[in-house]
Amino acid sequence: GQSLEQPSEVTAVEGAIVQINCTYQTSGFYGLSWYQQHDGGAPTFLSYNALDGLEETGRFSSFLSRSDSYGYLLLQELQMKDSASYFCATGGSQGNLIFGKGTKLSVKP
Amino acid sequence: EAGVAQSPRYKIIEKRQSVAFWCNPISGHATLYWYQQILGQGPKLLIQFQNNGVVDDSQLPKDRFSAERLKGVDSTLKIQPAKLEDSAVYLCASSVLTGKTEAFFGQGTRLTVV
Repeated sequence: GQSLEQPSEVTAVEGAIVQINCTYQTSGFYGLSWYQQHDGGAPTFLSYNALDGLEETGRFSSFLSRSDSYGYLLLQELQMKDSASYFCATGGSQGNLIFGKGTKLSVKP
Repeated sequence: EAGVAQSPRYKIIEKRQSVAFWCNPISGHATLYWYQQILGQGPKLLIQFQNNGVVDDSQLPKDRFSAERLKGVDSTLKIQPAKLEDSAVYLCASSVLTGKTEAFFGQGTRLTVV
């Protein structure tokens, strides 16, 4: 089976840096993705790591260590609009896309 | 490029009634997903299609839920009969290929069962 674990809530202040961790167990592996979802909205794709290392996209970076079955999303220069839920997701041996339970990020002024 | 289209946006039904949701994926996307998202939880994969074949339906409650993707394009998800615990947002998503973890989501259908 597949499972992903991430913290349920994180709080940070505007301008700070926050890291959201994700550990996973899958029978196969199609890389680790991150999605953002604002309240009442649909999930939107943020980043994808197929190989070990860091991927940077503007203020957001994502890291993967396949040997540790671990990844994280790093958000820099936090803004109020970054308050949302963040999900890690991975594809298993069938390519089925499974999501974690999500981390609710609250950015305070 | 048009996004994933879903309808209806909202639906309220009584328990034991039936309901159907429709999804039209992004043109050219072979993979279509239906997710159930209960408030405060992550999206739960109900069924995943590659063209008109099923990749994974292991978490679809097949005694009451059914889904089809005729001609490998648009798809319908049906619940019959509905239960109170089916109240959730039903999200449809599509991606270019199975195994591509960049999926594009529709706005979802918010179902309330009373």
